[in-house]
Amino acid sequence: QKEVEQDPGPLSVPEGAIVSLNCTYSNSAFQYFMWYRQYSRKGPELLMYTYSSGNKEDGRFTAQVDKSSKYISLFIRDSQPSDSATYLCAVTGTASKLTFGTGTRLQVTL
Amino acid sequence: EAQVTQNPRYLITVTGKKLTVTCSQNMNHEYMSWYRQDPGLGLRQIYYSMNVEVTDKGDVPEGYKVSRKEKRNFPLILESPSPNQTSLYFCASSLDTTYGYTFGSGTRLTVV
Repeated sequence: QKEVEQDPGPLSVPEGAIVSLNCTYSNSAFQYFMWYRQYSRKGPELLMYTYSSGNKEDGRFTAQVDKSSKYISLFIRDSQPSDSATYLCAVTGTASKLTFGTGTRLQVTL
Repeated sequence: EAQVTQNPRYLITVTGKKLTVTCSQNMNHEYMSWYRQDPGLGLRQIYYSMNVEVTDKGDVPEGYKVSRKEKRNFPLILESPSPNQTSLYFCASSLDTTYGYTFGSGTRLTVV
């Protein structure tokens, strides 16, 4: 079993839709949770960071963590074509090692 | 501008010909790491470094070497590249990895 599972998509939504991206993880030692966005031919960039269970909001983006079910989510409101990218969840519990999901490719259409 | 710089961006080489991918960061970060990204497998850690002269293996270290002689530089060395090392490589650095890494733009390596 992979430490982090993520649906690869692709996910196609119309502009303005609410997008829900999800990951599950297996190790309860993971304490820090991140979402990265990766545009084509670019490196991943940190989008959201959370530590505890609950929600964290930043503009149109909301990261949600449920440690009891080992489930993390990223919601994008009012999605825009510029949100089209691959979204990677990442988890860590110790220094140096970040474990990534395989990424979900999102396409927002006009 | 704070950044992680990798070179080259693209590289095509032949099996067995030693190569080095350079990585440099200007943020005075202690942690540096190399990842490879493959379709369906995501990002997998090759090696990481916690400080100068301190390195350790990640999940897929076979066929790779690293060194950390200076804080800002963390080159990735392939002594004898093979076709299964064809991949997209990312260098990353962090002040505290619990807050995530800053990634470079990537090096696309093809070994024929």
